[in-house]
Amino acid sequence: AQSVTQLDSHVSVSEGTPVLLRCNYSSSYSPSLFWYVQHPNKGLQLLLKYTSAATLVKGINGFEAEFKKSETSFHLTKPSAHMSDAAEYFCVVSFSGGYNKLIFGAGTRLAVHP
Amino acid sequence: GAGVSQTPSNKVTEKGKYVELRCDPISGHTALYWYRQSLGQGPEFLIYFQGTGAADDSGLPNDRFFAVRPEGSVSTLKIQRTERGDSAVYLCASSLEAPGTSGRGDTQYFGPGTRLTVL
Repeated sequence: AQSVTQLDSHVSVSEGTPVLLRCNYSSSYSPSLFWYVQHPNKGLQLLLKYTSAATLVKGINGFEAEFKKSETSFHLTKPSAHMSDAAEYFCVVSFSGGYNKLIFGAGTRLAVHP
Repeated sequence: GAGVSQTPSNKVTEKGKYVELRCDPISGHTALYWYRQSLGQGPEFLIYFQGTGAADDSGLPNDRFFAVRPEGSVSTLKIQRTERGDSAVYLCASSLEAPGTSGRGDTQYFGPGTRLTVL
């Protein structure tokens, strides 16, 4: 079975400090992995995606994630948090044969303090 | 360019009533998905359309839920005899996915959602 586990439901950082949002996946097939962000009262927006090319993926707004097959992880990082990064972040997996059906993690709420 | 749009943005109904939720995908996108997001949770897959046909409806919770996409563009999610547990945000997404492929890795673009409240 395919699943995604986001290890932290809430993460709080100070503005200007690094961000780390952790994600582990379980997939019997070669997965595609995504991070989506959801700002309050706004739609889901794709931050970045991994589809079996380079294992270090760069996304929008300075975010990046590294696919580590041996650890079944796809953690999201950003060197320096900005107040506008405060939002809900979802780690997502899809897999070959799954019609691109997305399986979402439970989400991590990121708070950024001045 | 227009993104995915959903109407209404909010819907309040009474238990037992019938509701329809509409999704307008991005023009030219062949694949359309419905997800449901309950409070404090990630979205959960409901149904996937490739063109006019439902290729995977394994996420529909029961036979009170039904979705159509008669012309391969706009889709309507229909819920009969609504229950309080149906209250959630219903999200629609579309992707540029060629028929006959798995579309794995194709980016799904999400609409703003319809917030359904069943009293």
